[in-house]
Amino acid sequence: DQQVKQNSPSLSVQEGRISILNCDYTNSMFDYFLWYKKYPAEGPTFLISISSIKDKNEDGRFTVFLNKSAKHLSLHIVPSQPGDSAVYFCAASGLAGGGNKLTFGTGTQLKVEL
Amino acid sequence: NAGVTQTPKFQVLKTGQSMTLQCAQDMNHNSMYWYRQDPGMGLRLIYYSASEGTTDKGEVPNGYNVSRLNKREFSLRLESAAPSQTSVYFCASSHRDLSNYGYTFGSGTRLTVV
Repeated sequence: DQQVKQNSPSLSVQEGRISILNCDYTNSMFDYFLWYKKYPAEGPTFLISISSIKDKNEDGRFTVFLNKSAKHLSLHIVPSQPGDSAVYFCAASGLAGGGNKLTFGTGTQLKVEL
Repeated sequence: NAGVTQTPKFQVLKTGQSMTLQCAQDMNHNSMYWYRQDPGMGLRLIYYSASEGTTDKGEVPNGYNVSRLNKREFSLRLESAAPSQTSVYFCASSHRDLSNYGYTFGSGTRLTVV
């Protein structure tokens, strides 16, 4: 049972354009969401997070949107740069339930082309 | 550099052999985790330790054991390796409340079981 889903295994965008990565979840107990970026042969690194009390969080070129009614979040990267080419994982946690375990999606490979 | 250190980085085992993956963190985090990454499967939780002295099963614990040696160290043991355990293993640590940035990951151990 995949509680966090990233339905697009890959995404290709041109440099300077917007990249939109999507993530859906099924567990209504999730109340904290994060995005991680992973380069080959490295561990994932934290990118941005959002609590369920918000619907948007912005950090420089990265913005995460949360639609709780649709159980959907998205990561926007504007403008996209070649260095953004990586695998992006969304993750979710049910902090209200007392847990700090993260459930990860399957990842989306982003390729930013020149 | 502060962070999560995993050893070894690469390992090839024969079916039936045993080995221990080592993980240490120097960020004074309470919680530590072991994940495996497989193509198309994302990151799946094997075991975690919410605090020193406690360990719990994650999503895919079969064939593994763990030891939380102290607050800094969390090891993962394969008693009798199987080809299905060929994967990339990541150790991570966090504060108990995930404190804004969630997990800090190590750089991974690439394990091949032949």
